[in-house]
Amino acid sequence: AQSVAQPEDQVKVAEGNPLTVKCTYSVSGNPYLFWYVQYPNRGLQFLLKYITGDNLVKGSYGFEAEFNKSQTSFHLKKPSALVSDSALYFCAVRDLTSGTYKYIFGTGTRLKVLA
Amino acid sequence: NAGVTQTPKFRVLKTGQSMTLLCAQDMNHEYMYWYRQDPGMGLRLIHYSVGEGTTAKGEVPDGYNVSRLKKQNFLLGLESAAPSQTSVYFCASSRSGAYNEQFFGPGTRLTVL
Repeated sequence: AQSVAQPEDQVKVAEGNPLTVKCTYSVSGNPYLFWYVQYPNRGLQFLLKYITGDNLVKGSYGFEAEFNKSQTSFHLKKPSALVSDSALYFCAVRDLTSGTYKYIFGTGTRLKVLA
Repeated sequence: NAGVTQTPKFRVLKTGQSMTLLCAQDMNHEYMYWYRQDPGMGLRLIHYSVGEGTTAKGEVPDGYNVSRLKKQNFLLGLESAAPSQTSVYFCASSRSGAYNEQFFGPGTRLTVL
């Protein structure tokens, strides 16, 4: 079965420090992976995606993610965190089995950036 | 472009009442989705549609019905609301193709008493 896991419910980091939000996946075949961010009382916003090609993907707001096939991971990173990055982050994988059109989301990681 | 819009933003129902949530998108997307978001459970897919006039069940379809009579609209209905349906509901849309990201609406917060 296709699945995605976000092992940390919450990540805390000081402003200016690098941040990492972890995501691991389990799929059959090549994975299509996505990161979304949700600010309070808002819908999810797309940050970046990995389809194929370079393992380091750059996205919105200075975020990037590293695809690691051997570790089946797709961790979200940012070199220098901002207080405004505090939000809920979701990793998602596209379910390509049986001709379905679904995305499978992780349970989310709440990022708190401390001033 | 308004993107994806949802109405209403908030609603309180009594057990057994019915209601319809409306999702509209102006991006000419083929695919549309309804999710519910509950604490600690991420997003769970209720129903989705890959084109006008077609719908399919997602992960948690029981107690919900959907219709997509027009390409730009995707309606989610609750025929007889239950307290377990208290949640935040999100609509999303995307272009066809496995590699396209979703665009989300602002959500509807539903409370069933």
